[in-house]
Amino acid sequence: KNQVEQSPQSLIILEGKNCTLQCNYTVSPFSNLRWYKQDTGRGPVSLTIMTFSENTKSNGRYTATLDADTKQSSLHITASQLSDSASYICVVSARSGNTGKLIFGQGTTLQVKP
Amino acid sequence: DAGVTQSPTHLIKTRGQQVTLRCSPKSGHDTVSWYQQALGQGPQFIFQYYEEEERQRGNFPDRFSGHQFPNYSSELNVNALLLGYSALYLCASSSVDTQYFGPGTRLTVL
Repeated sequence: KNQVEQSPQSLIILEGKNCTLQCNYTVSPFSNLRWYKQDTGRGPVSLTIMTFSENTKSNGRYTATLDADTKQSSLHITASQLSDSASYICVVSARSGNTGKLIFGQGTTLQVKP
Repeated sequence: DAGVTQSPTHLIKTRGQQVTLRCSPKSGHDTVSWYQQALGQGPQFIFQYYEEEERQRGNFPDRFSGHQFPNYSSELNVNALLLGYSALYLCASSSVDTQYFGPGTRLTVL
């Protein structure tokens, strides 16, 4: 069964601190892995997308890693800001013909406090 | 480029009513997917449309139906609304492996 599990479920950190969110998946055949940021009541916004051959990808203060052997990914946030408070969703795409099927994790809710 | 747009932004219906939500994909995208996101949960895949046909479907009953038009825009229809259908309904458009989400429609069923 294709599954994506994220940890922790929620996280509270102080402004300026770093944090790392985890994503484990069992998806086959694997196409790519994406991290999204979703503000409350809004649509998810893509942060990074990585294919099988990519180990790391950065987008400003966000750095995602991918270990395709262990089927694990992480999202590292550096020097957190209050605006980083949101849900972070790991999404794995399973190749299915011409279109991929997306399997969503439940998300990690991050709260950054001043 | 306006990106993915959805309408309406908010909607209140009563149990048993029918609702239609609309989505315009990002320019150049030909595939539209619909998701239901309950409060505090991750998005759940409803179905995906490509070339005006439903190509994939998640675990949702037949009262959830959709349509894609020649200009790639799409509608999600839900008949006989249940209280449990209150959620944020997200539309995502994609081309190859790139997918963009719209802002969502917040549906409240009373």
